[in-house]
Amino acid sequence: QPVLTQSSSASASLGSSVKLTCTLSSGHSNYIIGWHQQQPGKAPRYLMKLEGSGSYNKGTGVPDRFSGSSSGADRYLTISNVQSEDEADYYCETWDSNTQNVVFGGGTKLTVL
Amino acid sequence: QVQLVESGGGVVQPGRSLRLSCAASGFTFSSYGMHWVRQAPDKGLEWVAVTWNDGSKEYYAHSVKGRFTISRDNSKNTMYLQMNSLRAEDTALYYCVRHSGSFDNWGQGTLVTVSS
Repeated sequence: QPVLTQSSSASASLGSSVKLTCTLSSGHSNYIIGWHQQQPGKAPRYLMKLEGSGSYNKGTGVPDRFSGSSSGADRYLTISNVQSEDEADYYCETWDSNTQNVVFGGGTKLTVL
Repeated sequence: QVQLVESGGGVVQPGRSLRLSCAASGFTFSSYGMHWVRQAPDKGLEWVAVTWNDGSKEYYAHSVKGRFTISRDNSKNTMYLQMNSLRAEDTALYYCVRHSGSFDNWGQGTLVTVSS
């Protein structure tokens, strides 16, 4: 089944942009993933569904500052004009139709400086 | 709007059982696959199980297979997770999640603590 690899941490200055990466394992580069944000002490929140083509669909109320893109096995979440409330853990996940299992990446902790 | 409300968590001894519930509202429950996802203290997210929209199929993570059973009652807009033979490593916040191409709505979670 697929493995999703994320950097454990990232940082960005207030008002800057940051690009988080989720990498799919070999043989799974065409998989669709979901991006989720978890602010401290809160439940996860759906951000978007992202396809290998780079096409994405955001959840209700997700600010325009959040966007997605893809390149090969890499799936990106870009946050523009980073705000203090963007400090959170970001997880990617995918559904494996072969095993009928869901796989999560290890998550990236974003610190806003 | 979509609401998912989990209940049934608590403190339980190792080897005992617990049943979680997820009450759904604001959407046509019977049209969606539903999942349980858990998060151990200070750890990442771990998928637990899924039930098909009509309850016809269910799948489990290897770590819970044979001990947990997911089910749903579409007439009550409610999903369940029967957890048997609980272990310390099952201690986590358990989230109910709707699936529509991705996990598009999350509940607030219910805490399960397995401890003697």
